[in-house]
Amino acid sequence: DVKVTQSSRYLVKRTGEKVFLECVQDMDHENMFWYRQDPGLGLRLIYFSYDVKMKEKGDIPEGYSVSREKKERFSLILESASTNQTSMYLCASSSSLISLTYFGPGTRLTVL
Amino acid sequence: EDKVVQSPLSLVVHEGDTVTLNCSYEVTNFRSLLWYKQEKKAPTFLFMLTSSGIEKKSGRLSSILDKKELSSILNITATQTGDSAIYLCAVPSGNTGKLIFGQGTTLQVKP
Repeated sequence: DVKVTQSSRYLVKRTGEKVFLECVQDMDHENMFWYRQDPGLGLRLIYFSYDVKMKEKGDIPEGYSVSREKKERFSLILESASTNQTSMYLCASSSSLISLTYFGPGTRLTVL
Repeated sequence: EDKVVQSPLSLVVHEGDTVTLNCSYEVTNFRSLLWYKQEKKAPTFLFMLTSSGIEKKSGRLSSILDKKELSSILNITATQTGDSAIYLCAVPSGNTGKLIFGQGTTLQVKP
């Protein structure tokens, strides 16, 4: 069974704080993704990575950075959290051979 | 620019009704189309479609791809309240497997 886990289900942070969201997958997938999901806007891609230490900007990378030091782990960093980053954050992974993407349980982040 | 559009955006039906959800796409180098169901948590996989005209079925859910029309439909027959969810359509873009999502269709099934 594919498993994608995220470090927190719910998180509350203050404006200006540095926030780390961690994601781990256990299927040896090459590709990992960070999406945010907002009502009426659907899922939007923030960053993705197709190999260790490789990263590509998605559609809305501003205000975010990522780190992939190990194949199984992909971290999303909010350098200075702002209220407009309050959202549901979903991590996902897939293999390079097929596009079937598996999602983690999501982290609901609230920035006050 | 790659694009996926779903319709309707929301739908309210009663138990026992049949619903059809639509997904259209514009993607270069199309390889597959995926359907997901999302309740109050992460999206869960329903179907992956790669060939035109071949129906995929799982219980009361079925889906088919039409590559000529660049679209797919997801059918749910004899709906139940447990079918209430957001249904997401997605298409991989580029060589890295990143998914382009539609806006989703929010289905509410009333008892």
